[in-house]
Amino acid sequence: SQQGEEDPQALSIQEGENATMNCSYKTSINNLQWYRQNSGRGLVHLILIRSNEREKHSGRLRVTLDTSKKSSSLLITASRAADTASYFCATTPFGSARQLTFGSGTQLTVLP
Amino acid sequence: DGGITQSPKYLFRKEGQNVTLSCEQNLNHDAMYWYRQDPGQGLRLIYYSQIVNDFQKGDIAEGYSVSREKKESFPLTVTSAQKNPTAFYLCASIAGGNTGELFFGEGSRLTVL
Repeated sequence: SQQGEEDPQALSIQEGENATMNCSYKTSINNLQWYRQNSGRGLVHLILIRSNEREKHSGRLRVTLDTSKKSSSLLITASRAADTASYFCATTPFGSARQLTFGSGTQLTVLP
Repeated sequence: DGGITQSPKYLFRKEGQNVTLSCEQNLNHDAMYWYRQDPGQGLRLIYYSQIVNDFQKGDIAEGYSVSREKKESFPLTVTSAQKNPTAFYLCASIAGGNTGELFFGEGSRLTVL
């Protein structure tokens, strides 16, 4: 079942602008992760934020988590054409022995 | 370098044929997963295995089968019972438990003719 839902489904920006993607989920979670997928390739892990964290940074990436609203956002600052990809959020349900559940993704296009 | 290797990258199959997709990892990870991805959509879990000789059905297991005879290997068979098998298949692994980072292979694209 799809737990996370990304918004928007597609986003097109100019190089140098910031890109913000949002993720909403339905149940309590242990953590939330963001992944990137270039067209026709496997997914690559970007960042993990735990349920007791509110914000996390990694290079040009900033992730926030609001457990009261069951939502997260991924901000990519100073975007580059090479950031063009699909971005997925994934959640691990609290107390579950199962796997990550992925959202449907945001397709980001960064125009040079 | 450590990683996950999927093969073949592209595969064509006639209706009614079974095909097996290979997934090998040298990361010494305990758990392995198979996901299906359809165009413009997210990943849906087919099967997962947390230890050798044990595996569980995911959300869309019908028409698929797996085995886990070795820690390094988790092949997926797409059987003729799978009604719509054309898709992109992704294998992944995780070091321990289910709360960390998933490592993915490069995927196998299956097309049914």
